[in-house]
Formats: sequence, structure tokens, C-alpha cells
Amino acid sequence: NAGVTQTPKFQVLKTGQSMTLQCAQDMNHNSMYWYRQDPGMGLRLIYYSASEGTTDKGEVPNGYNVSRLNKREFSLRLESAAPSQTSVYFCASRHYAGTGNTEAFFGQGTRLTVV
Amino acid sequence: DQQVKQNSPSLSVQEGRISILNCDYTNSMFDYFLWYKKYPAEGPTFLISISSIKDKNEDGRFTVFLNKSAKHLSLHIVPSQPGDSAVYFCAASEDFGNEKLTFGTGTRLTIIP
Repeated sequence: NAGVTQTPKFQVLKTGQSMTLQCAQDMNHNSMYWYRQDPGMGLRLIYYSASEGTTDKGEVPNGYNVSRLNKREFSLRLESAAPSQTSVYFCASRHYAGTGNTEAFFGQGTRLTVV
Repeated sequence: DQQVKQNSPSLSVQEGRISILNCDYTNSMFDYFLWYKKYPAEGPTFLISISSIKDKNEDGRFTVFLNKSAKHLSLHIVPSQPGDSAVYFCAASEDFGNEKLTFGTGTRLTIIP
């Protein structure tokens, strides 16, 4: 009954360091998403993936890369972390079959601080 | 360009009364709308949704209303309970081949006992 699992839950990075946030879902969903949540800004879409091997930019993709390794996993990479990337990151997944009328399921989030 | 807007950052309501949370959107291609609830240190959880072919959807204490001509939706919670204190996000999705799910900025609801 895991749903969407994100690792790590917390991370502190120094400016310029790199890291990868991992996300896995066990619901056989085809679409996966990465969002960041900042005070007053809501949930902003960074990247999304409609299926294995495909990714698309969202509203705030700069400074990030993603990889849809397989149907289950969707990772988010920060190549050179900046303080502006301090945020809470959420991964989500949903079943999408040509119509948008399904809900997305979210992970517990990763709280990232860049110092 | 914020396509989904929640203009009230916060709302306080007495326990037992009605809570009304509002959401406006600008993209006329949106045709499925969702509300999510988020507690601190947790991921958002799905609450209720509505398709553009309807103007109302009800689930227990929660009702969502959609006014397509005004590009406006609202979430009504009746009666409000202390456990409803959370941040509520409105989200919207297009149909036919666009997987993006766009969220608003959220409204923090506080239920006063």
C-alpha cells in the first residue's frame, strides 16, 4: 500500500553541489510529475512525464533535469544547487489515458535546503 | 502567468459553520477540476473533483460548484470541523492529450473551535 514514495525526506546541500531526488510509484500509473512548493506560490510544476522515455517542461524547469527510468520511477536532478532551489519537492503520479479526469497521488515530499 | 488563482491566502471559520473556498482560472481549455487538502509535513491528498459537464458535485460534507462562464469554482465544507484546518489547493487539467495538472497558490483554512 505504498503509493508514491520519495527519497530522501530531508536534505541540506551546499551551493554548487548536485543531488538526485528519487520517486517511485507502485500504482502502474503512466503519468508522473515533479512539483515544488514555496510560500505564497502554491505548487508549481517543474517537469512531467507522460510515459517511460518521455519528459516535458513545466512552469519552472530551469536548474533541473529529470529522468523517467521506467514506468515506476521518475527522478529529479539538481546539477548545481542554488539557494533559490530551497523548497519542498513533491512527486506525483496519475493514470492518464487521453482524458484528464483522474486525480493525482502525491508522495510525502522532500524538504531541500541549499546553503 | 498564473492560470489557476486562489485569491484568498487564508480563511478562518467558526466550527460548525460553512467554509467557502474560491478558485478562478483563465485557461478555457481546462475541463476537469480538483481540490486537494494538505496538512503540514505531508503530501497533498485528493478531496473532490468535478468535470466541466457538471456544475455541482457532492461528497459528504464537501461540495464543489463550477461556473464555467465565470471560470470560477468553489469548495463548500458544511459543517466545518477542526480537522478541516489545512491548506486547500485547487487544480485544473485539460483534456485530450495534455497531461499537465496545474495548481493554484492555496488557501489556508483555520477552523476555530
